[in-house]
Amino acid sequence: DVKVTQSSRYLVKRTGEKVFLECVQDMDHENMFWYRQDPGLGLRLIYFSYDVKMKEKGDIPEGYSVSREKKERFSLILESASTNQTSMYLCASSVWSYGYTFGSGTRLTVV
Amino acid sequence: RKEVEQDPGPFNVPEGATVAFNCTYSNSASQSFFWYRQDCRKEPKLLMSVYSSGNEDGRFTAQLNRASQYISLLIRDSKLSDSATYLCVVKMGGGADGLTFGKGTHLIIQP
Repeated sequence: DVKVTQSSRYLVKRTGEKVFLECVQDMDHENMFWYRQDPGLGLRLIYFSYDVKMKEKGDIPEGYSVSREKKERFSLILESASTNQTSMYLCASSVWSYGYTFGSGTRLTVV
Repeated sequence: RKEVEQDPGPFNVPEGATVAFNCTYSNSASQSFFWYRQDCRKEPKLLMSVYSSGNEDGRFTAQLNRASQYISLLIRDSKLSDSATYLCVVKMGGGADGLTFGKGTHLIIQP
């Protein structure tokens, strides 16, 4: 089975801090994604990547950036964390046209 | 505008009953369709893909109606372990673009 691993299950950060969320997949998938999930809003796509060093904005990229230096690793960066970025962050990977495999999520609280 | 609509529920259903959910999508160019299951405080997991001819996996049947732009999921002989949120998911193209998720239908199976 594909495994998608997110480095932290829970994080608490202060407003203004730079935050790194790491995601690693072990099945050589081309595509990787970052979503956030909020009550009443569902899952929303932040960024995705279809190859090393390639990145595309999703629906809500503001306040975020990403890095994909290696195929298996996709990092989400909050340059200056704000309280409205408190959320569950989910990383996923896939091959073309198939469904995703998600990591177990990182619940980020910004205080 | 990308949009996937679901009845949020909750659907309270006695064990052993049959339950069905529908989902509508707004973009007629959508190409791939999925149902995901999400347990409380867990990541979404792929339940099944949805094909134009309809498909069945054990107690679960998924159907797609392209003309009316809706997708359905039928669960027969429901079990307590079927209690979860079911997410309707649509992919717009064959590329790496992210999936669009509905906000989910909450199902509670009662003993």
